[in-house]
Parts: sequence; C-alpha cells; structure tokens
Amino acid sequence: DIQVTQSPSTLSASVGDRVTITCRASQSISNYLAWYQQKPGKAPKLLIYDASSLEGGIPSRFSGSGSGTEFTLSVTSLQPDDFATYYCQQYSSYSPWTFGQGTKVEIK
Amino acid sequence: EVYLVESGGGLVQPGRSLGLSCAASGFNSADYIMNWVRQAPGRGLEWIGFIRSKADRSTTAYAASVNGRFTISRDDSNNIAHLQMNSLKTEDTGVYYCFRGHYSSTWGQGTLVTVSS
Repeated sequence: DIQVTQSPSTLSASVGDRVTITCRASQSISNYLAWYQQKPGKAPKLLIYDASSLEGGIPSRFSGSGSGTEFTLSVTSLQPDDFATYYCQQYSSYSPWTFGQGTKVEIK
Repeated sequence: EVYLVESGGGLVQPGRSLGLSCAASGFNSADYIMNWVRQAPGRGLEWIGFIRSKADRSTTAYAASVNGRFTISRDDSNNIAHLQMNSLKTEDTGVYYCFRGHYSSTWGQGTLVTVSS
C-alpha cells in the first residue's frame, strides 16, 4: 500500500506568515492528492484537489503543487481563521487510499 | 444541495458488531464511490475503505487495519452506504464519517462509535 508522510507535525506561525506543508508518497501517485483543513469538532474541509486545483470558495492564499511523490500546500499571509490542522489524502487508483498524519498550524 | 448523514453509532463491547449507515441526499449515490473515514479521539483522519459504483461492479477496498473485519455495502435504491463492523476493538473507537468520490467537499457530521467494556 502507498504510504503518505506529512511534515511537519506541528508548525508555529504568526498572522501574515507564509507557511508550507509537505506530503511525500512512498511511490508515485501522479497528481492524485487532496488537501483538507480541519477544526476541532468539525468535519474536514476540502481545500485543494488533483494536487493543485483550488476548490470553489477557498481563498486564493491557499495553493498546492507537486506531482509524483512530493507535494506541498502553501498558505500565503496566514489569517486568524487558518489556524487549524491540515491533512493530505492520496487517492491513487492502484492502492487503498490514505491520509497523511496531519499538520497542526498553531499561533506562535 | 448535497448532504450526507451518518447514523448508527453508539457504545458497544469489544468483540461485538455494529452497523453504520450513510444516507445521501441531493445526488444519486449510485453514481459515486462512497468512502468511510474515522478519527480516533485526538488523532488524525484514517481512511477505512470504499465501495465503487455499481457500474464498477461495487468493488471494495479497505485499509489493512480493518480488512477482514469491516464490510462496506451499498443500497442504491435508498441512496445509502453501509459499514458493517465486526470483532470490534477498543482502538476502533472514534468518529466515523462518510464522503463521496475520490475527494470531497461534502462530509457528514459523523457518528461516534465507542468500543468499551
């Protein structure tokens, strides 16, 4: 099965900072990767799909890039509402799907 | 509008069984892969498995942690996906969610399963 390793597990940042989160797949998943944001007690919220496509209604400060085995989620100019936990999810056709371990973005 | 509603959670003893349902509205679930995901208290998201559409022969795939114990099925006439959980363990405790497709902006509110004696 394809494993996804997400880093860092925790990230301390300030409002206005640019932050980057990385997911690495154990083998190529083409661009079959999504990014979610989750807040406590809530269901995940889709941000990015197909590695770099922005979901409708999501602010343009969120962006995704990568293909193959290495992917990044970037947030430019972090806003107070962006402090949350972020997950990547791979959906390759050749393997059961998996989520990354999560990255908690906290206030510095 | 698209909605998913999970139900069937509760308290169950280790070794027992429990069935969950995911009721879809606003779309024809028969056309979609339907997934189950769970989240243990204070932990990350764990994909459990999916069932493909009838057009793809309703084939299933599961995470290794539940393979052989959990079964996903679908009732397309009623727009429902089911998760049958057998031989439950304390580590199966968590909130269970369903979502449609390969990725999704639509998730249910989740249903809490507590496995404890």
